[in-house]
Amino acid sequence: KAGVTQTPRYLIKTRGQQVTLSCSPISGHRSVSWYQQTPGQGLQFLFEYFSETQRNKGNFPGRFSGRQFSNSRSEMNVSTLELGDSALYLCASSFRQGAYNEQFFGPGTRLTVL
Amino acid sequence: AQTVTQSQPEMSVQEAETVTLSCTYDTSESDYYLFWYKQPPSRQMILVIRQEAYKQQNATENRFSVNFQKAAKSFSLKISDSQLGDAAMYFCAYRSANTGNQFYFGTGTSLTVIP
Repeated sequence: KAGVTQTPRYLIKTRGQQVTLSCSPISGHRSVSWYQQTPGQGLQFLFEYFSETQRNKGNFPGRFSGRQFSNSRSEMNVSTLELGDSALYLCASSFRQGAYNEQFFGPGTRLTVL
Repeated sequence: AQTVTQSQPEMSVQEAETVTLSCTYDTSESDYYLFWYKQPPSRQMILVIRQEAYKQQNATENRFSVNFQKAAKSFSLKISDSQLGDAAMYFCAYRSANTGNQFYFGTGTSLTVIP
């Protein structure tokens, strides 16, 4: 079974631009979560989608948004990029919702904002 | 909000020896789950071990075991017979059983395994 895939793996943008990151979960997984990883703040939860609906959201500004498609693939969008948005963005999928369910992480998208 | 604290930014262990990584958390909830995730350099995060808070028995997965002290809100990870492949960043994480599925992660412990 293929793992979680994220595209692109690396991205360089400039301040003010917007970016869209993509995540394809493991086949059959319906829950997709997004995390931001930075050296200073560590891993922080962005949001979770299940069956095309946002189920949970972390404490991030409205510039960060996402969506999930009927095939469970998910996209994350960041508008009006700031230097502080430079981070590794991780996507994780699980078969169902529920705190005990194992989340499988993708390799991440490394975003650099200049 | 829940907080997870890993007080050891870096640890090292001799190959074949045992090492314990510390984690404490703060919560007012009684029903939750705790996890240890491993992130090797430039590789994906993978689950090492998980523990249900309602279980008193400590979880064990091969060479990995935890010491779960619910009253003390402590959740340490013990790695026995350390191997070179254990070198990674280790994250402790908390997840509520009731108030959503988000993980609260600690800041991580970088483990070096010395040959």
